[in-house]
Amino acid sequence: SQTIHQWPATLVQPVGSPLSLECTVEGTSNPNLYWYRQAAGRGLQLLFYSVGIGQISSEVPQNLSASRPQDRQFILSSKKLLLSDSGFYLCAWEQETQYFGPGTRLLVL
Amino acid sequence: DQQVKQNSPSLSVQEGRISILNCDYTNSMFDYFLWYKKYPAEGPTFLISISSIKDKNEDGRFTVFLNKSAKHLSLHIVPSQPGDSAVYFCAARGQNFVFGPGTRLSVLP
Repeated sequence: SQTIHQWPATLVQPVGSPLSLECTVEGTSNPNLYWYRQAAGRGLQLLFYSVGIGQISSEVPQNLSASRPQDRQFILSSKKLLLSDSGFYLCAWEQETQYFGPGTRLLVL
Repeated sequence: DQQVKQNSPSLSVQEGRISILNCDYTNSMFDYFLWYKKYPAEGPTFLISISSIKDKNEDGRFTVFLNKSAKHLSLHIVPSQPGDSAVYFCAARGQNFVFGPGTRLSVLP
């Protein structure tokens, strides 16, 4: 069966610091992968999606970036975090339906 | 412009009664609709889906109804249980998945 992992589960970072969140998927090959953010009291906002290694599409212009160095690895990064980057970040993979990882809670202070 | 709307941010229901969660969409090109359930600090979990060629799909206590002419779908939970208390997201598939803002369901014992 397929599983999706995200780490870390919680992260507290100062403004201006870099960010790297990792997502890996097991049990499938060449999945479509997605990064979402859920801000407090709001729905899920699609940030990036990837249909293959090195292929990244950005949905929302911002100071975040994504990379897919391996088939089942999807990384969300930032060079300098902003206060507004605080939120709950979710990685998902897709096979007809989207399945989500456990999420990373990011607090930028 | 929100393509998927959940106009009720919250809903309270007595245990054993029916919970009805509503969702409206604007894009007639959406061909697949899903409901997700999300507990705090966890990723959303897939509940039930419906293709645009159907008007009803049932899975245990959960039933999803689709009214294409009204661009409206609903999730019925019968009977409601305290463990159903969570945030419910409606999602629609076009080029990507588009999520509603969520409805927080509280099932009162």
